[in-house]
Amino acid sequence: DAKTTQPPSMDCAEGRAANLPCNHSTISGNEYVYWYRQIHSQGPQYIIHGLKNNETNEMASLIITEDRKSSTLILPHATLRDTAVYYCIVRRNTNAGKSTFGDGTTLTVKP
Amino acid sequence: ETGVTQTPRHLVMGMTNKKSLKCEQHLGHNAMYWYKQSAKKPLELMFVYNFKEQTENNSVPSRFSPECPNSSHLFLHLHTLQPEDSALYLCASSQDRDTDYGYTFGSGTRLTVV
Repeated sequence: DAKTTQPPSMDCAEGRAANLPCNHSTISGNEYVYWYRQIHSQGPQYIIHGLKNNETNEMASLIITEDRKSSTLILPHATLRDTAVYYCIVRRNTNAGKSTFGDGTTLTVKP
Repeated sequence: ETGVTQTPRHLVMGMTNKKSLKCEQHLGHNAMYWYKQSAKKPLELMFVYNFKEQTENNSVPSRFSPECPNSSHLFLHLHTLQPEDSALYLCASSQDRDTDYGYTFGSGTRLTVV
């Protein structure tokens, strides 16, 4: 599965949009982009995933570039409860057991 | 609650003890996973079960022994652990191993080996 690169940390003001980038330049055609987050001392929580089209759900939006080499997770109105480590993962949907979690981005939402 | 329940939430054990971690899911999923999360390290996949059959053992030492009696329950039996095995142990489930959807994680068991 392709490797991902994320900034180690980001800050965001409460109520503003949080845009978390992820580079996955070696992604192959059958690999999906998944995002999870982990709030302190809890298990990771699935947020959203996509293949090539942009996706939106009640939690976030996922923007994937046309060449699929990078993506951005958007939390439209960040709250203090969105403070967490956000993981970007790339994997084929036929190899679920190989999801590799990197170091992620620690997002701190500030009042 | 995520639908994946792990017990106990916290466990302190001596190096000569034998203990077990339990994971239960009520989501109708067929794949279950054990992950280990040590301080300052990424999550490490330990074991994968798909329809009760073990499909992945990620070079985990034999002092960790998984058991999956049915698709809803997963255990991790621990014996003669080392202090470096202290970590957060997370259980996850998914529809099946080849799912197109994400995993659902439990809240984890915080294990301390003394």
